[in-house]
Amino acid sequence: AQKVTQAQTEISVVEKEDVTLDCVYETRDTTYYLFWYKQPPSGELVFLIRRNSFDEQNEISGRYSWNFQKSTSSFNFTITASQVVDSAVYFCALMNSGYSTLTFGKGTMLLVSP
Amino acid sequence: DVKVTQSSRYLVKRTGEKVFLECVQDMDHENMFWYRQDPGLGLRLIYFSYDVKMKEKGDIPEGYSVSREKKERFSLILESASTNQTSMYLCASSPPGPRRSPLHFGNGTRLTVT
Repeated sequence: AQKVTQAQTEISVVEKEDVTLDCVYETRDTTYYLFWYKQPPSGELVFLIRRNSFDEQNEISGRYSWNFQKSTSSFNFTITASQVVDSAVYFCALMNSGYSTLTFGKGTMLLVSP
Repeated sequence: DVKVTQSSRYLVKRTGEKVFLECVQDMDHENMFWYRQDPGLGLRLIYFSYDVKMKEKGDIPEGYSVSREKKERFSLILESASTNQTSMYLCASSPPGPRRSPLHFGNGTRLTVT
């Protein structure tokens, strides 16, 4: 069975602070895929990034960066210089090599105040 | 851009009613999914489908069924609605293949069963 744990239920920061959202996963598969989604107050889930298990290269996209470490089964997400528009629930998710279904963590609610 | 449309944004039904939640996607995707989202529990997979007339149970299929008569449409059916099925329901679709593409989600249907 596979599992995704987002230990942080809610995080509050002030604008311009950096914030890291943690994600730890469990799977028996050697090939798997990790995702991050953002869910703003409007409710729609927005895809942010996908990472393959055989590619541990970290990625930066503007103010967003992702740190994938297979040794600790973690796929953490950092927002640099947070903005109010970053306020949302963020989900980490896992897809194995067999099916195209996603197993989600419980989400982390990020509140960025001005 | 992929468009996944859920027919209702809000729905209120009575206990015991048969409820249909409709989902349509416009990108000719083979894969379609139904999730429910509850506070503190994240997203949980109810059913998914890899092709027309094909369905597979997810993690929490009890009390639900699905129908996929056409490729673009995937319906979730609550045979006899109960109050514990009050939730946000999210439909998603994705293309097939080894790339493990991200799921594209609709805006959700918030169902209240009274």
